[in-house]
Amino acid sequence: GAVVSQHPSWVICKSGTSVKIECRSLDFQATTMFWYRQFPKQSLMLMATSNEGSKATYEQGVEKDKFLINHASLTLSTLTVTSAHPEDSSFYICSARVFGGIGQPQHFGDGTRLSIL
Amino acid sequence: AQTVTQSQPEMSVQEAETVTLSCTYDTSESNYYLFWYKQPPSRQMILVIRQEAYKQQNATENRFSVNFQKAAKSFSLKISDSQLGDTAMYFCAFMKLGPNAGKSTFGDGTTLTVKP
Repeated sequence: GAVVSQHPSWVICKSGTSVKIECRSLDFQATTMFWYRQFPKQSLMLMATSNEGSKATYEQGVEKDKFLINHASLTLSTLTVTSAHPEDSSFYICSARVFGGIGQPQHFGDGTRLSIL
Repeated sequence: AQTVTQSQPEMSVQEAETVTLSCTYDTSESNYYLFWYKQPPSRQMILVIRQEAYKQQNATENRFSVNFQKAAKSFSLKISDSQLGDTAMYFCAFMKLGPNAGKSTFGDGTTLTVKP
């Protein structure tokens, strides 16, 4: 149980393109999802917390207009990288917590490797 | 704010031997959870083990166990009978309860290589 599906797994696109990444909780409801960015051999850097039905909470230093987050349902959150540039190339990971229950761990998607040419 | 420190960027162990990964954290919270996650080369993060701060008993999951020292704010992971499939990056994570619960703070990770 507690499967998080993230798509696409790999994206290569030209500079200036907008890219949308989907994060779905397949067998549970997730009122909160998290979006991370990870560079090779480094830790996860939290970008934003996505809350169903409300605006996302962004971490300091993360551009809200660059990284648009939408959490329209209890099972789907999307991250759109707008007008992507080479410096946005990275590994993006989403995670979700099972709704309710104390101390529930995060369940992670497989990640999306974004390469901007 | 919470901080999580993993002081060993890289470690290696021979297959079938035991290895311990260290993790310390800093918090003023009294009630929280600690986790160890594994990220193999395939890149998906997988939960290894979870510890509730109010429980004194150390968590155990098959070959994986923790040494939780709340007063010292230490949370080490012991892997017994290491297997080649244990090769991965391991992250220690802290999650507080109450307001803003659910957001975890991760350490920088320890890359573990199991050698045949």
